[in-house]
Amino acid sequence: EDQVTQSPEALRLQEGESSSLNCSYTVSGLRGLFWYRQDPGKGPEFLFTLYSAGEEKEKERLKATLTKKESFLHITAPKPEDSATYLCAVQGTSYGGSQGNLIFGKGTKLSVKP
Amino acid sequence: EAEVAQSPRYKITEKSQAVAFWCDPISGHATLYWYRQILGQGPELLVQFQDESVVDDSQLPKDRFSAERLKGVDSTLKIQPAELGDSAMYLCASSTDRVSPLHFGNGTRLTVT
Repeated sequence: EDQVTQSPEALRLQEGESSSLNCSYTVSGLRGLFWYRQDPGKGPEFLFTLYSAGEEKEKERLKATLTKKESFLHITAPKPEDSATYLCAVQGTSYGGSQGNLIFGKGTKLSVKP
Repeated sequence: EAEVAQSPRYKITEKSQAVAFWCDPISGHATLYWYRQILGQGPELLVQFQDESVVDDSQLPKDRFSAERLKGVDSTLKIQPAELGDSAMYLCASSTDRVSPLHFGNGTRLTVT
């Protein structure tokens, strides 16, 4: 069964304190791994798609990396406006269980204090 | 930037009543999804459309939930009768195809009393 586990559940950082969020996954053939940002009361906002091990994507203070078993979202010198829940999702190539649809983790709630 | 529109933004209903949510995807997006997100959890897929056809409704509780996308554009998700456990955020998303990133609306927050 396709599965996504994110850690930690919550992370509190001081402004400028860099850190990483982890996404471990089990999927029968990875089509893509997606990172989303979700602000309270809003829908998830797309950040990155990673397709193969070794791939990296960057956007402002965020950098996503991918291995065969996990992905990391690195946050460099975060600012208070980076506070949000970060969701990881995988899409498998199998059309059995998940039928190739996105399977989301529970997210990591990031708080950045000034 | 084009957005996925959802209404209503909030809905409070009593259990056993009927409730409906509406979604207007980004223009030109053939694939439309309805997700349910319980507080503190990740979104879970309820139903997926490709144009006007249902592609996947394996997780939709069909005894009480129904979804339609009659002209392949906007979509309606209905619950009848609502139960207390249906309280959640109902998110609509669209994409250009089944392998492209999803663009989400801001959801409908349902509270069943």
